[in-house]
Amino acid sequence: DAKTTQPTSMDCAEGRAANLPCNHSTISGNEYVYWYRQIHSQGPQYIIHGLKNNETNEMASLIITEDRKSSTLILPHATLRDTAVYYCIVRVADDYKLSFGAGTTVTVRA
Amino acid sequence: DADVTQTPRNRITKTGKRIMLECSQTKGHDRMYWYRQDPGLGLRLIYYSFDVKDINKGEISDGYSVSRQAQAKFSLSLESAIPNQTALYFCATSDPGRTGEYGYTFGSGTRLTVV
Repeated sequence: DAKTTQPTSMDCAEGRAANLPCNHSTISGNEYVYWYRQIHSQGPQYIIHGLKNNETNEMASLIITEDRKSSTLILPHATLRDTAVYYCIVRVADDYKLSFGAGTTVTVRA
Repeated sequence: DADVTQTPRNRITKTGKRIMLECSQTKGHDRMYWYRQDPGLGLRLIYYSFDVKDINKGEISDGYSVSRQAQAKFSLSLESAIPNQTALYFCATSDPGRTGEYGYTFGSGTRLTVV
């Protein structure tokens, strides 16, 4: 699996957009970018995934650069409940394994 | 009810004791996993099972064993617990039939302390 690089931590103001970067410069053509989050020691929760097109769902948007070497997860209107560790993971679609790094600790402040 | 249920939620045990962590799921998924998380670190795969007759070691299987009693049940055992097995343990399921997102669902975790 390709490795990812994320900032260790970041703060965000409540109600503002949170932009979480992820570098994956060695990503292969058949590897997807996935985002999960973990809220205070709960089980990780799937957020979104994409291959090369930008994606949006009810939780977030995912922007992938044209060369696919980096991506940004956007939480459009962060709330206090979005405070969590966010993991960027790259893997092929039918790979059974999720390889978690340390992630980015996001703190949303009132 | 939760899709993936882990019991117990918290457990304190003594060094050398045998302990079993249980996981049951209502997702109907064939694939089940056990992960371990240490403070400040990501999750690491202990064991995984693709169906009832299939058991595979993950990256940190030493000191652990598993049993897949049914499609819905996957148990993790520590035969002789040691303090460095103190961690947060997660059970998860996935569905290879779903393209892309792959249907990974995690339980709420078991916090195990070995003293």
